Amino acid sequence: GENVEQHPSTLSVQEGDSAVIKCTYSDSASNYFPWYKQELGKRPQLIIDIRSNVGEKKDQRIAVTLNKTAKHFSLHITETQPEDSAVYFCAASKTSYDKVIFGPGTSLSVIP
Amino acid sequence: DTAVSQTPKYLVTQMGNDKSIKCEQNLGHDTMYWYKQDSKKFLKIMFSYNNKELIINETVPNRFSPKSPDKAHLNLHINSLELGDSAVYFCASSQVTGGGSPLHFGNGTRLTVT
Repeated sequence: GENVEQHPSTLSVQEGDSAVIKCTYSDSASNYFPWYKQELGKRPQLIIDIRSNVGEKKDQRIAVTLNKTAKHFSLHITETQPEDSAVYFCAASKTSYDKVIFGPGTSLSVIP
Repeated sequence: DTAVSQTPKYLVTQMGNDKSIKCEQNLGHDTMYWYKQDSKKFLKIMFSYNNKELIINETVPNRFSPKSPDKAHLNLHINSLELGDSAVYFCASSQVTGGGSPLHFGNGTRLTVT
């Protein structure tokens, strides 16, 4: 079955700097890669997702890149702000009747 | 107008008891899920239902029994609670089954077994 690894497990950056979180997956048939943000005591919420027919996707300060050959994808957050502090989860899945497998999470701290 | 709502928010109980968590979604989604988040924040799928039909049962002890009376509701009943069941349980829904559609999570139920 699918296995998703995520690095680093913790990340601390100064406000205004960039943050990068990297994930790898094992199943080459996976074709949907969402990222979720979970603030302390809250529910996970989708922040961006990418499908296998796209190499990069941007949404304001957030971007995700996908390298299908290497089976890895990354989340890039630019101009970080204190409100970006949270746990970020990457995930991978195949379409139709398959489960979404989450990475173990990255705890991001943005220091003012 | 909460999209996915689950109750209760907190549940404190003793070992051996039986408890239930309820979940409802008003998004019109066909698929609902239960996820367990342990103390290390790891999110693991337990069950998924598509239009009341069980699709995924992820090697969860049979003390856990999900029930979906209709596609907008998915409840979780846990028998003979154990200390290791302490976790946050998230209900979620998606427009289509499996991958390819974002998950919408409820606010979670923090279960503490003493």
